[in-house]
Formats: sequence, C-alpha cells, structure tokens
Amino acid sequence: GNSVTQMEGPVTLSEEAFLTINCTYTATGYPSLFWYVQYPGEGLQLLLKATKADDKGSNKGFEATYRKETTSFHLEKGSVQVSDSAVYFCALLHTSYGKLTFGQGTILTVHP
Amino acid sequence: EAGVVQSPRYKIIEKKQPVAFWCNPISGHNTLYWYLQNLGQGPELLIRYENEEAVDDSQLPKDRFSAERLKGVDSTLKIQPAELGDSAVYLCASSLQGGQGLDNEQFFGPGTRLTVL
Repeated sequence: GNSVTQMEGPVTLSEEAFLTINCTYTATGYPSLFWYVQYPGEGLQLLLKATKADDKGSNKGFEATYRKETTSFHLEKGSVQVSDSAVYFCALLHTSYGKLTFGQGTILTVHP
Repeated sequence: EAGVVQSPRYKIIEKKQPVAFWCNPISGHNTLYWYLQNLGQGPELLIRYENEEAVDDSQLPKDRFSAERLKGVDSTLKIQPAELGDSAVYLCASSLQGGQGLDNEQFFGPGTRLTVL
C-alpha cells in the first residue's frame, strides 16, 4: 500500500539556518506529492505540491522536488524564520481517489 | 471567503457517552473528508463524500462511528459510545472535486480536539 516516511523530529534551528526535512514515499502508480504545514492552533494548510516527476513545488521560500528515482520529496528552505515554527507533513495523493496519505509530521522550532 | 468550519473546537466527555462533530465545507466544494489525527501522527482518512454519497468509508469503524452529509453540504460525524482510545483531533476537509483533478486541493478546518475521560 501507499506510505510516507518523514525524518523524525523535533528539529530545532536558529534563525537564518538552512532547513531540510526528509520525506520518502512508497506508492503504486503516479501519485501527486504535497507538503502541508500546521501552525499552532490552526488547521493544516497546503504549503506546496508537485504532480509529476522532476516537478519542483515552491512557496514562501520553501522548495521540494519530486524525485521518482529516489522516491523522495525533501523540503528545503535556505533561511528559516521564527515564524516558520510549525509541524510539517509530507503527503501523497492516491492515484484513484482523493485519499491523502500523510507522514507522521516533523515539529520545527526556530529560535531567534 | 470563509474556510472550512468545524464545531466544537474542543470536547471533553466521559467514556461510553455519545459525541458529535459538525463540519461546514467551503461553499461549492463537492467533496468532503473526515480525518482522524492521533497525537504525534499524521491525519488518516475516515470517510470521503462526493456530494451526499459516501464513496470511501473503508477506514471508518462502523461499530461505533457513523457519518452523514445531508443535502451534500454540511456533515456530521458521530461516535457512540466513545472509548478512551478515541481521544484525538478530528479534521474535516473539502475540495472542489476528488481524485487527481486540478481542483483536488483539500482545504482543512481547524479540527475538533476530543478528550475521552
């Protein structure tokens, strides 16, 4: 079946540090891949997405590239801010249905 | 435009009691989802509706959980009776359509945090 594995957290960084959160997946067919972010007290928000191999999703300085050969979709940001502190979820969309399969989430804390 | 609305935001009940959660999706969204999010984990789909039809309820524990989406708009998720292990966040999401279409982005509500004592 489909599954998503994220690097375990929590991740603690200083402001302006480089961020990488690893995500690998197992899926049948050709899924779309997503990163969602959940700020404290708020619902999940779509951060970025990629729908086919070699696509790069980007938003708010975050980037992730759909790598079919390594079945990965790692999230990166060159310079994090305190306001980026949140929980980040990697997810894939089942090819036949609208079912999102999520990773377990990675807590990011950025200190000034 | 209003997002997905859920109520209540928090609910504390004793085990064996019934509980219900309500969701109002974004206007015009045909597809509605209920997810369960346990502490420290990602959300897991419980049920998906296309208009008023439940098209995927394979992960819904039907012995105690039930859901409905009357008139293809608002939805209610019910647990009866609740057990200690049901303590979690229940998320509702909606999208214009399901599947792999361009309009399949799912918009999530803030969730209902359930505590069963």
